[in-house]
Amino acid sequence: AQTVTQSQPEMSVQEAETVTLSCTYDTSESNYYLFWYKQPPSRQMILVIRQEAYKQQNATENRFSVNFQKAAKSFSLKISDSQLGDTAMYFCASRITGTASKLTFGTGTRLQVTL
Amino acid sequence: DVKVTQSSRYLVKRTGEKVFLECVQDMDHENMFWYRQDPGLGLRLIYFSYDVKMKEKGDIPEGYSVSREKKERFSLILESASTNQTSMYLCASSSAPEQNYGYTFGSGTRLTVV
Repeated sequence: AQTVTQSQPEMSVQEAETVTLSCTYDTSESNYYLFWYKQPPSRQMILVIRQEAYKQQNATENRFSVNFQKAAKSFSLKISDSQLGDTAMYFCASRITGTASKLTFGTGTRLQVTL
Repeated sequence: DVKVTQSSRYLVKRTGEKVFLECVQDMDHENMFWYRQDPGLGLRLIYFSYDVKMKEKGDIPEGYSVSREKKERFSLILESASTNQTSMYLCASSSAPEQNYGYTFGSGTRLTVV
């Protein structure tokens, strides 16, 4: 079974600053994918970034990047130059490869970007 | 863009009612999922389906059933609604060949059972 843990229920960052959201996971599988989803007040879940476990290079998408530490089973999200529109719930998720597999989510981190 | 549409944004039902939550996707995705979202618990999988008329239990299937008669539609059924089923319900879909690229979600249905 997979588990995903987000230990920060809430975080706050000032506009233009950098913030890091933490995520750890546990799986016995060797092939899996990791994701960060954003859920703004509109409730629409949006994929922010994904990482293949077999790739050592950390994924980046514009102002969003991850720090993937496979041995430590850690997958943190760094948001640079924070913007007011980044205010949202952020969910970390994992999925092992294979047809009969599903996304397993963490409990979420509520991020507030302030002026 | 892929669209996943949930028929109701807000729903209020009485205890004991039979409740149908509908989800439709327009990109011919094979996989469809129903999640429940509660504060402090994240998203938990209720049921999923990899093909028409096929269903699999997720982590919390008790009190729920599903129906997938057509590829584009996946319905979640609360046979006899109870107050502990008050929650946000999210539907998602993914293409089988591209499921490692994540899921596309609907905007959610906030269900209140009174």
